[in-house]
Amino acid sequence: GQQLNQSPQSMFIQEGEDVSMNCTSSSIFNTWLWYKQDPGEGPVLLIALYKAGELTSNGRLTAQFGITRKDSFLNISASIPSDVGIYFCAGQLYKAAGNKLTFGGGTRVLVKP
Amino acid sequence: DTEVTQTPKHLVMGMTNKKSLKCEQHMGHRAMYWYKQKAKKPPELMFVYSYEKLSINESVPSRFSPECPNSSLLNLHLHALQPEDSALYLCASSQARGSYEQYFGPGTRLTVT
Repeated sequence: GQQLNQSPQSMFIQEGEDVSMNCTSSSIFNTWLWYKQDPGEGPVLLIALYKAGELTSNGRLTAQFGITRKDSFLNISASIPSDVGIYFCAGQLYKAAGNKLTFGGGTRVLVKP
Repeated sequence: DTEVTQTPKHLVMGMTNKKSLKCEQHMGHRAMYWYKQKAKKPPELMFVYSYEKLSINESVPSRFSPECPNSSLLNLHLHALQPEDSALYLCASSQARGSYEQYFGPGTRLTVT
């Protein structure tokens, strides 16, 4: 099925660094969601964005809903070891039949050896 | 409380077995979802229930049979599965009308032998 373009696919972080990832789409969405998934667990919702141009923070996380409604980015400031995991973006376009999320391929965040 | 619970956590079944996965939420959400997730991939939507009625079936094989007995419960009945059906099965829920956050459960790790 359709998948959003999420980049980078993977990144190494060093404690204290700021990191950034983004998602782009050829279609518009009216909601962008960012999730973090640890191995063997379900995705945990980090941030939800509802308006074009909206900038929202949750602790060290900041995300923005692009003006064109076709992109979003997530920043993590002052990264810590527990930030390791897979981050997924997801776009949502409400339809009467039900909400379908379109996911990005994920950004795998790893610790620098 | 944004908790979605799933049982069992792990399931191993043979290709001739019949088993069921269970999901429960008490957030008053009227939309519930089943997703399948393979390793290193994003979740793939299987079914959507809205107000206890099946609203979306993403062309899932009939060996997967969903059921929504009431607004809090969602089941996935499994029969005659194939080894390639081994995956993490995730349940999610959300409000039904409009574009809202989806909350995921921890998943059931299914292995078909």
